Order: sequence, then C-alpha cells, then structure tokens
Amino acid sequence: KQEVTQIPAALSVPEGENLVLNCSFTDSAIYNLQWFRQDPGKGLTSLLLIQSSQREQTSGRLNASLDKSSGRSTLYIAASQPGDSATYLCAVRRGSSNTGKLIFGQGTTLQVKP
Amino acid sequence: DTGVSQDPRHKITKRGQNVTFRCDPISEHNRLYWYRQTLGQGPEFLTYFQNEAQLEKSRLLSDRFSAERPKGSFSTLEIQRTEQGDSAMYLCASSLLGTAHSGANVLTFGAGSRLTVL
Repeated sequence: KQEVTQIPAALSVPEGENLVLNCSFTDSAIYNLQWFRQDPGKGLTSLLLIQSSQREQTSGRLNASLDKSSGRSTLYIAASQPGDSATYLCAVRRGSSNTGKLIFGQGTTLQVKP
Repeated sequence: DTGVSQDPRHKITKRGQNVTFRCDPISEHNRLYWYRQTLGQGPEFLTYFQNEAQLEKSRLLSDRFSAERPKGSFSTLEIQRTEQGDSAMYLCASSLLGTAHSGANVLTFGAGSRLTVL
C-alpha cells in the first residue's frame, strides 16, 4: 500500500530565506509525482509535475526533485515571500501505468513572515 | 473556459438528508476526479471517470455515495442519508489523459464544495 508522508507539518521562516519541503513515499513504483499549493479554504493549484523518468522540474523560484529509488521528493523555494504562505501538498500517481488515482501527503503549512 | 467549477460552494444540511454536488470540468479534459478533504489532512481519493466510464472507486465510497458523469462532461456526487462524519470539503479535479512526456495528466482542481452536516 502506497503511503505519502510530508515533514515537517508546519514551517515558519523569515522573508527572503530559501527553504526545502520534503515528501517521502513507501512504494517506488510511481508513474509521476505532483506538487500542489492550497490556500486556506480553497482548492489546489498545481505547481510542478515530475514524470518517473525525470530527476527535477523548475518553475520560477520553485524547483522540485525526485529520487525514486529512495522514495523521496523535495520542493525547493528560493527567496521566499509572504505570498508563498500556504499549504504545500505532494501527490504520487502509483504504478507503472497512467492510472487515475493520486495519493496525497498531509501537507506542509508554510508561513513566511515579512 | 474558466477552469473547474463546483456547485454549491457551501452546503449545510441536517443528518439524514440527501445532498448533491455538481462539477463542471475543463471542457477538453476527459478525466474527472472526486476527492474528499478534512481539516488538516491531504485529499483522499473517492473516484474517477474517464469520459463517462467510472474506472475506480475507493473503499471510502460507501453505498450512500454515488457519482455519475452521464455524458462525459459534468459530474454529480450524491450523498444519501448524510452523517456527521460526511462533513468535509469535496474537491473535483479534471485532467487530459496523455503520454508521460506530454503536458497532460496535470490535475486542475475546483475550489471545492464544503459540506457541514448538523
């Protein structure tokens, strides 16, 4: 059974700091991994998707890496801003085929203080 | 197209009543998903459709839950005889099925429908 864990559950940093969010999964047989952002009371916004054959993806100040063999992904946020404050969720699409089901972690709630 | 739309945004009901949520996906997306999220937790998978076919259902989806996507466009999620434990945010998402190296398969979520069962 695939399980996804995100540590820490909450993180508070001063503005301008670089930070890393962690995601681990128990079964390395994944099709892809997706990082999302969720603002309070809102739906999820997709940030980055990494295919199982890829090592990393970048979008602006965000960089996501994937190490399938160790069951880990990290989301690196450079030069954090107060607007980055949100909950960040990772999700894996299991298996070797493009099944529909995503399994989510519990999220890391980030607060960036001005 | 303005993204994934969900209706209603908020629903308060008494225990034992039936409720129905509607989701309108991005028009060209052939996959549609329903997730449930409680406070402080990540979304839990409920079910997904590819076109009008319901391809997978979670064991979380008891007999009181039913989802349809009759013409492969919008979808409805009905909860019968609601219980207090059904209180949650119900999230709908859609995606375009594609190859591993296309820009497809990225899920776009709606804003969610929040259910409160009194």
